Amino acid sequence: AQRVTQPEKLLSVFKGAPVELKCNYSYSGSPELFWYVQYSRQRLQLLLRHISRESIKGFTADLNKGETSFHLKKPFAQEEDSAMYYCALDSSGSARQLTFGSGTQLTVLP
Amino acid sequence: DAGITQSPRHKVTETGTPVTLRCHQTENHRYMYWYRQDPGHGLRLIHYSYGVKDTDKGEVSDGYSVSRSKTEDFLLTLESATSSQTSVYFCAISESLRTEHNNEQFFGPGTRLTVL
Repeated sequence: AQRVTQPEKLLSVFKGAPVELKCNYSYSGSPELFWYVQYSRQRLQLLLRHISRESIKGFTADLNKGETSFHLKKPFAQEEDSAMYYCALDSSGSARQLTFGSGTQLTVLP
Repeated sequence: DAGITQSPRHKVTETGTPVTLRCHQTENHRYMYWYRQDPGHGLRLIHYSYGVKDTDKGEVSDGYSVSRSKTEDFLLTLESATSSQTSVYFCAISESLRTEHNNEQFFGPGTRLTVL
């Protein structure tokens, strides 16, 4: 069975500092991985997916199959990055199911 | 925001009473999902639907049932609510006709349910 682990429930960094939110997964197949974000009083929304290899709002994430990781990184955190971040794994094939991690609450301090 | 609404947005009920939550979409997406969000557990899938009258269980389906009689509506029912079902419930939809968005899920605003 697939599993997504986010080891940090809470993470605080100062504005301008680098930030890394950790995500590890276990899955026997070829995974598709995502980061979703939930800003205060907003809906959960897709931040980025590994397959597109894009940078969104300065965030990047690289899939490391050897370490089964998909860590989210940003070189210079901003206060508006404060939010709950969820790593998610799509193992479904046709059913489009996502398995979510438990989430990391990021706080960027001024 | 994608055209997804949830009703009610807040509900307080008593143990043992039936509760139905509604998810309505205007996007004509094929897949619809119900999740619950709890501290320390993230989002966990309760049930999902892959078409009208086609539903299947997720990770935490015990105590919940669903129905989808129309493309746009997906109902989640707690037949006899328990305190352990106090949670925030999110509906999501996925699969538009645009290939690159096929497996992105779009979320509703959530329903906060309290079972006393």
